[in-house]
Amino acid sequence: AQKVTQAQTEISVVEKEDVTLDCVYETRDTTYYLFWYKQPPSGELVFLIRRNSFDEQNEISGRYSWNFQKSTSSFNFTITASQVVDSAVYFCALSEASKNTGNQFYFGTGTSLTVIP
Amino acid sequence: KAGVTQTPRYLIKTRGQQVTLSCSPISGHRSVSWYQQTPGQGLQFLFEYFSETQRNKGNFPGRFSGRQFSNSRSEMNVSTLELGDSALYLCASSFHSLSGANVLTFGAGSRLTVL
Repeated sequence: AQKVTQAQTEISVVEKEDVTLDCVYETRDTTYYLFWYKQPPSGELVFLIRRNSFDEQNEISGRYSWNFQKSTSSFNFTITASQVVDSAVYFCALSEASKNTGNQFYFGTGTSLTVIP
Repeated sequence: KAGVTQTPRYLIKTRGQQVTLSCSPISGHRSVSWYQQTPGQGLQFLFEYFSETQRNKGNFPGRFSGRQFSNSRSEMNVSTLELGDSALYLCASSFHSLSGANVLTFGAGSRLTVL
């Protein structure tokens, strides 16, 4: 069964602190894709990153970095030197390639991040 | 480049009524997916359309239906509304429908309140 778990429901940090959002996934597929999306109060989900199951290389984009570890089925997201504009709900999602299911994403329940000025 | 446009943004209905939501994808995108977001169940997949054909459907009752037009615009319909249908309905589009790999671009959603 496919499942994405984001155990942290809410996180509050003070501006300029680093914060890591955890994501653990379950899938039986050998080929799959993992995503992170950000949902600001406006409601629109904004794409942050996609990673396929064969690429375990960590990625850094500005203040954002992602740590993908297949051994622990985790795809964690770190924001360095957080800013107030980072306040949002962040979703981790999984999609599987082998079942020909098109664009069916399995989302975690989201982590609400509040950055306090 | 215009993003994914959903209309209406907000609507209020009463139990038993039906509602139609519209989604215009990014120009050139042929795949449109719909998701329901509620505080209790989170984001759940409703269905996906590609080239006017429903490719995949989530675990929702038959009251939820959709369609896609030749210009890739999509509509979803919910009949016989129930209180539990109150949610944010999100539409997402992508250029094609290769399994799993697509980055979905989401609209701002249609917030439905059922009284």
